[in-house]
Amino acid sequence: QLQLQESGPGLVKPSETLSLTCTVSGGSISSSSYYWAWIRQPPGKGLEWIGSIHYSGSTYYNPSLKSRVTISVDTSKNQFSLKLTSVTAADTAVYYCAHSGYSSSWYLFYFDYWGQGTLVTVSS
Amino acid sequence: QLVLTQSPSASASLGASVKLTCTLSSGHSNYAIAWHQQQPEKGPRFLMKLNSDGSHSKGDGIPDRFSGSSSGAERYLTISSLQSEDEADYYCQTWGTGILWVFGGGTKLTVL
Repeated sequence: QLQLQESGPGLVKPSETLSLTCTVSGGSISSSSYYWAWIRQPPGKGLEWIGSIHYSGSTYYNPSLKSRVTISVDTSKNQFSLKLTSVTAADTAVYYCAHSGYSSSWYLFYFDYWGQGTLVTVSS
Repeated sequence: QLVLTQSPSASASLGASVKLTCTLSSGHSNYAIAWHQQQPEKGPRFLMKLNSDGSHSKGDGIPDRFSGSSSGAERYLTISSLQSEDEADYYCQTWGTGILWVFGGGTKLTVL
């Protein structure tokens, strides 16, 4: 069974870059034909998809964040990472990494494994 | 534009049943979705994927008390024999062109 664990600084200054890493265990990041994703949840609010990456390196980003987001994968470490530039207080959130499975018969990509999340606060 | 709409809140008594609704936007009534549960102070957990014909497939370890059904553009999550640990936020999620991975706003379920 896949396990995902987020790591990175819990405090980032405004205008700086937020960097997080997700370490995958219980399976190889290269063995999944599907996608690895970042999702965030501002305090007291709902879930927002940030972006997804395939182990081959192909990426998809939420259009609302696309200009500031980069997701990369390191298959040798079984990790994938998130960088979000020019952060503001609005980027304060719990950040989750997740695996997206796929049902070809239903044409559905869905998150079937989640990390426990890490709180990132943007403040000077 | 692909949008999922959920009621912000729902409540039901301990031991009773509750049916949560997720509505797909116009033009997307045949889409499959997934349901996720987020208990207080925890990360989300995948409950099930649910197709437009009501067929569904649950995640590992999800109790039989959880079931899914569909009608038109509406996707339902029914929880029977409610327990205190079912008090949580429930999110529907789908995938499509545009934003790609999309979440509903979530429903906060209170067990009375």
